[in-house]
Amino acid sequence: RKEVEQDPGPFNVPEGATVAFNCTYSNSASQSFFWYRQDCRKEPKLLMSVYSSGNEDGRFTAQLNRASQYISLLIRDSKLSDSATYLCVVNSKIGSGGGADGLTFGKGTHLIIQP
Amino acid sequence: EADIYQTPRYLVIGTGKKITLECSQTMGHDKMYWYQQDPGMELHLIHYSYGVNSTEKGDLSSESTVSRIRTEHFPLTLESARPSHTSQYLCASREGFTEAFFGQGTRLTVV
Repeated sequence: RKEVEQDPGPFNVPEGATVAFNCTYSNSASQSFFWYRQDCRKEPKLLMSVYSSGNEDGRFTAQLNRASQYISLLIRDSKLSDSATYLCVVNSKIGSGGGADGLTFGKGTHLIIQP
Repeated sequence: EADIYQTPRYLVIGTGKKITLECSQTMGHDKMYWYQQDPGMELHLIHYSYGVNSTEKGDLSSESTVSRIRTEHFPLTLESARPSHTSQYLCASREGFTEAFFGQGTRLTVV
């Protein structure tokens, strides 16, 4: 089982619609969680951190369910500019020895907003 | 904007050449990472560092090497470039358990 799993999509969504992504993680000891956005041929950029109580930033809402080990991202009133790949990111053990902590990235969910 | 910089942005080089990709950050972050990403594919961790004189290999086997002589500088070196090294290389840094900030990447093509 991969450490961080996401549905790769693509999700084709009409402008103005609401879209939701889920992500599951395998390491129950993970301590911090993020959603990143990556545009084609660009570097990933932080969209928002994910807190246990859930958090909202404008049209974006993130939720964390530690018991079920999944993270969600909800985008309301989607815009054409929301078209991108959304990466679920979890702080977990990394490296060949598994003794250090770092960020593990999901493969990303590709979102296409259609006019 | 994040204060992390990578040079060069684009590099086309012949097989067998030695190359060094530069990464510098001015945020004083202890942790720095190198990722490799092919177009449309996931990021793979190839090296990381937790501080000066600390470097470790990541999950993806890589023929590159790194050094961390100064906190702000984390260069990646390929002793002998091959076409299989063609990819995008992304450098990132972070503090503690907070988010990572990425440089703009180096797009490497080995011909």
